[in-house]
Amino acid sequence: DTEVTQTPKHLVMGMTNKKSLKCEQHMGHRAMYWYKQKAKKPPELMFVYSYEKLSINESVPSRFSPECPNSSLLNLHLHALQPEDSALYLCASSQPGTGKSPLHFGNGTRLTVT
Amino acid sequence: QQQVKQSPQSLIVQKGGIPIINCAYENTAFDYFPWYQQFPGKGPALLIAIRPDVSEKKEGRFTISFNKSAKQFSLHIMDSQPGDSATYFCPYNQGGKLIFGQGTELSVKP
Repeated sequence: DTEVTQTPKHLVMGMTNKKSLKCEQHMGHRAMYWYKQKAKKPPELMFVYSYEKLSINESVPSRFSPECPNSSLLNLHLHALQPEDSALYLCASSQPGTGKSPLHFGNGTRLTVT
Repeated sequence: QQQVKQSPQSLIVQKGGIPIINCAYENTAFDYFPWYQQFPGKGPALLIAIRPDVSEKKEGRFTISFNKSAKQFSLHIMDSQPGDSATYFCPYNQGGKLIFGQGTELSVKP
């Protein structure tokens, strides 16, 4: 079991739906991340939160809306997605700062957009 | 611009073999080199990491060696097992962002 918990594990949604992905960690980490991973491809960074503030947005379309309600929780709100957004969405956490703190990943949410 | 190039893209070895995965880097300012292992259907997990002032680091059957003059570091897996079948990544840090390259898909046959 990982120390980063993501829910749901699987999600199927239509292009007009609104849904949210959730991520929780209790390791005291103050940096949290969203990555997107397509099949047979590497994880691609989407967003970085540091001390609950959005610090990096990798030019992600506005149909993806991140939220960090507190230091343990990270959400990704989804609206009007396209079929090409189908992917594994990974959440990770770490200590912020130097880049030498390892990222702890959850096992992801497998999203299918129909 | 890709700052770390990983090879090979895929690798098949027999059980007990020693697969070697290489990462060649461009930026000499990197000061931390992590390797992540990802099993199918799971998130990546830190496997081992090395600093450039250390030429080799071993954790169990996994060894990283660092060749600064060649700007390359390599992961060796001793006595590989089918359970080592996974994708291995050598990401790099760029301005607070951990960037993953293409990875190496390793298959260890029984």
